[in-house]
Amino acid sequence: SQQGEEDPQALSIQEGENATMNCSYKTSINNLQWYRQNSGRGLVHLILIRSNEREKHSGRLRVTLDTSKKSSSLLITASRAADTASYFCATDSVAGGTSYGKLTFGQGTILTVHP
Amino acid sequence: DTGVSQNPRHKITKRGQNVTFRCDPISEHNRLYWYRQTLGQGPEFLTYFQNEAQLEKSRLLSDRFSAERPKGSFSTLEIQRTEQGDSAMYLCASSLGQIAHEKLFFGSGTQLSVL
Repeated sequence: SQQGEEDPQALSIQEGENATMNCSYKTSINNLQWYRQNSGRGLVHLILIRSNEREKHSGRLRVTLDTSKKSSSLLITASRAADTASYFCATDSVAGGTSYGKLTFGQGTILTVHP
Repeated sequence: DTGVSQNPRHKITKRGQNVTFRCDPISEHNRLYWYRQTLGQGPEFLTYFQNEAQLEKSRLLSDRFSAERPKGSFSTLEIQRTEQGDSAMYLCASSLGQIAHEKLFFGSGTQLSVL
């Protein structure tokens, strides 16, 4: 079953604009990760944020995590046409206090960046 | 290229036939995961291995599905008596399975079409 819900399901923007995607989850987590998937391909890891972190940056990516609201957001700044892809959040849930690295994915946000 | 390799990329089969997929993980990764993804959805966990031991199987993995990882290296996923509902992208991923190395590396997937 899908742990996360992502919002919006689809996002269409112009090059240069910022894109924000949101993710909500249900259970306690060790970490939350964001992945990107180009059409018909495998997923590529973008960024990981741990449960004791609130914000993390990597290049043009900024991720926030609010464990009290069980939600996260991914911000892509100064978007490019090459950022067009599906973006998924994935949670690594606590299981008996041990992380097994088994990720539960959301349904994803389809981002289209127009040149 | 030392990434995760999956074969075949595409498989078309008739209902009732058996199919087998292969995954070669990154060589030093001791964890290997299988996920299934249908159109417009995020990946759903099927099973995972720690070295050669299969540690968890999802309820999605019916008796018709079997996965192996002999010698803790490559893995195979077999589907017996395929059904049209088995049509999906089957994704393999691997990881080091250690704290600070939890991200998954995905292969490009095997797209299964059951006619």
